Amino acid sequence: QKEVEQNSGPLSVPEGAIASLNCTYSDRGSQSFFWYRQYSGKSPELIMFIYSNGDKEDGRFTAQLNKASQYVSLLIRDSQPSDSATYLCAVNPANAGGTSYGKLTFGQGTILTVHP
Amino acid sequence: DGGITQSPKYLFRKEGQNVTLSCEQNLNHDAMYWYRQDPGQGLRLIYYSQIVNDFQKGDIAEGYSVSREKKESFPLTVTSAQKNPTAFYLCASRYKITGELFFGEGSRLTVL
Repeated sequence: QKEVEQNSGPLSVPEGAIASLNCTYSDRGSQSFFWYRQYSGKSPELIMFIYSNGDKEDGRFTAQLNKASQYVSLLIRDSQPSDSATYLCAVNPANAGGTSYGKLTFGQGTILTVHP
Repeated sequence: DGGITQSPKYLFRKEGQNVTLSCEQNLNHDAMYWYRQDPGQGLRLIYYSQIVNDFQKGDIAEGYSVSREKKESFPLTVTSAQKNPTAFYLCASRYKITGELFFGEGSRLTVL
């Protein structure tokens, strides 16, 4: 089983719809979770991070964390063509020795396309 | 402006040659990382360093080497022992408070 697994894409949604991106992780003691967006040929940029169970909202983006189910998701409301990119989920494992340092493991990414 | 600077942006190498990718940060972060990305793939960890003069192997360290002599610098050497080095290489530093990574613009290595 992969340490961090994302729903296989590509995912295509119409403009204005909600895009739902999912990520599961294997290390039950994982502490912190990150969502990055990566445009083609560019480096990843942080969208959100979440540490606690529940929802965290930032503008059109909502991260949802369920540690019991080892599941983290990203919802993008009112999707725009500019949201078309690869979305990467990253997890800080429990054996990292803290929430700040140590390994940060990435999923394989989900390609999102928002069509007009 | 604070950030991560990687160089060169594009690099071509002949088989059997070692190459060194530069990574410099002025964010005053203790931890730095090197990831490799292949087309259509996520990021795979090569090496990371949590403090000067110390570093740990990641998941795919074979064929790579690093050094961390200064807090600001974390160069990666791709050796001739790396059998398939053509990839996009990303350097990052980590913000202690939130744990997020800040990435450089990447270096694209092609072996001819």
